[in-house]
Parts: sequence; structure tokens; C-alpha cells
Amino acid sequence: EADIYQTPRYLVIGTGKKITLECSQTMGHDKMYWYQQDPGMELHLIHYSYGVNSTEKGDLSSESTVSRIRTEHFPLTLESARPSHTSQYLCASSDEGDRDNEQFFGPGTRLTVL
Amino acid sequence: DAKTTQPPSMDCAEGRAANLPCNHSTISGNEYVYWYRQIHSQGPQYIIHGLKNNETNEMASLIITEDRKSSTLILPHATLRDTAVYYCIVRVAWDDKIIFGKGTRLHILP
Repeated sequence: EADIYQTPRYLVIGTGKKITLECSQTMGHDKMYWYQQDPGMELHLIHYSYGVNSTEKGDLSSESTVSRIRTEHFPLTLESARPSHTSQYLCASSDEGDRDNEQFFGPGTRLTVL
Repeated sequence: DAKTTQPPSMDCAEGRAANLPCNHSTISGNEYVYWYRQIHSQGPQYIIHGLKNNETNEMASLIITEDRKSSTLILPHATLRDTAVYYCIVRVAWDDKIIFGKGTRLHILP
């Protein structure tokens, strides 16, 4: 079992609210990632980080922002939630030194914006 | 766009071997074939990967053709818990970006 956690698992919130989705891992992994997945659709990379103070945008444009102040945490923030942000958000991490470059995924946060 | 082609869905009887095909005709020499699966409402789970030799672990076997243009993931004795979407991914080992594609939805039938 991978030690990567996401909270909350489910969130229903009104339009215009600021939200932060938490992701933490206890494996000491340098690399962390955020993916977005609409129901029945493909996963798309929206943010990634190579380590503390490193953040990069992924292949899918997103209005969310991320920060990496500590190795184990990689929170994602939406300043003003909209219904178009309704989706599942999946966090992952991988080890810089892992020859297989396997990514370990958290359980996801299912976000609904009314 | 994903570099792989997979059937959208497959059925397999419980207890039988599930053979999931994947075409990757444009694979380059330094790209590996990775397989992940995603059980409903959960995050994807790594299964196996290989470069050109066949690979086996406790979860599955990976058979890669000699020309590396296609591969097959084999679940030797499928159970109901193997019902999931299976993603075949081609990437260089050092590439952190995974392009998942649509995958194959595998239904294990009791």
C-alpha cells in the first residue's frame, strides 16, 4: 500500500468559494503530481513538482494553483470555484531515485461545485 | 494524444486468464511499456512495465512482441476484484508525465 493521502475525499461547495485540496505522502518522495479526471474520461496532468519550491503546469490548463513548501505536502487551491471545476482530482508521487519511475496515487478528491 | 491503442472494453470469466492487448506501433527504442489499472473511484495502481523482454510479477505478466509494436497484459486467474480500467502507457523511464489514454474497461463475469 502506498502512503499517500488526500483530503477531503468528497467536497460539495457553492460557486465562488475558495477551496484547498490536501495531498500528503509519507514516503519522502521528491516528485508529486496532480491529475484531473472527469467521470468516465481520461486522467490529465494539471500540475507537478520536482521538490520543495518547485511547481510546474501540466498538459491540461487549469485555473487551480499549487504550492510545495514541504516535501510531504502538495496542496491544490481554487480561488473561486465554479461548476466547470466539478471533477475528480488525483494526487500522485514518485521517487527521484526509483529506476522504474512508478507513480503512487492517492484515493482522489471528488469535487462538486454547485 | 496517447501513443497506444486499446479496445474500449473486454469481458472475462472469473478464474480464466484475462488477456488485454495494446498496440503501440510508434514506440521508440528508449520507451517502456507500462500498465496501470484504476478500480472504480480509486486512484490508478501500477501493475507492471517492460522494455523488450517479457516480465512477470505477483500481479500479472507482460508479453511484448519482438518488434515491440504491441503487447499483452495477462492476468492469469482473473477475480471479480480485477474489474477495472486498464491503461497501457508508453513512456521513457525518466519521463515524469504519464499520458493515460482511455484504457480498456475489463469486466470480470461471475
